[in-house]
Amino acid sequence: EDKVVQSPLSLVVHEGDTVTLNCSYEVTNFRSLLWYKQEKKAPTFLFMLTSSGIEKKSGRLSSILDKKELFSILNITATQTGDSAVYLCAVFDYGQNFVFGPGTRLSVLP
Amino acid sequence: NAGVTQTPKFRILKIGQSMTLQCTQDMNHNYMYWYRQDPGMGLKLIYYSVGAGITDKGEVPNGYNVSRSTTEDFPLRLELAAPSQTSVYFCASSSSGAQQGLDGNQPQHFGDGTRLSIL
Repeated sequence: EDKVVQSPLSLVVHEGDTVTLNCSYEVTNFRSLLWYKQEKKAPTFLFMLTSSGIEKKSGRLSSILDKKELFSILNITATQTGDSAVYLCAVFDYGQNFVFGPGTRLSVLP
Repeated sequence: NAGVTQTPKFRILKIGQSMTLQCTQDMNHNYMYWYRQDPGMGLKLIYYSVGAGITDKGEVPNGYNVSRSTTEDFPLRLELAAPSQTSVYFCASSSSGAQQGLDGNQPQHFGDGTRLSIL
């Protein structure tokens, strides 16, 4: 059975800190890994990763995938209170199935 | 751009009642999905569809039914509501990538969710 594990499940930091969120997976027929940010309502897309070792960046956020060790990390530098959210990791397989992890709840204090 | 639209936003049902959660998208996406999200948990796939007329079960399909008669619409039906179905329901859609000349399924676009309580 496909499985996605995220750690930590929750994290409290202060503004300006750097955080690293982890996602590991056991998926048959892996195709891609996606990161989403969920605030009050619908998840919003951050990154899609399909190849190992290629970092994707968007402002203060970056992510990388390791297909050999079956994990990905999401880094947020110089955190702001607006980064407070649940960060979801999802894996997409060739069976057209998205499997989501439980999420990491990040709280950034002023 | 409307994107993915879900209705209603909130609903309270009594045990044993039935209802349909509506989902429509205007992006001509061929893939559509229904998820439920329980408090403090991730998203669990209920059903998905890879195109009009084609649906398939996800991780937690029991107690639900879907249909996909058009590309735009993907309603989710609860026949006999049970308290265990109290949750927030999200509909999502994505393209296959091939529609845009890209390789692989593209990221999902989510609706704003339907908060359903069964009492």
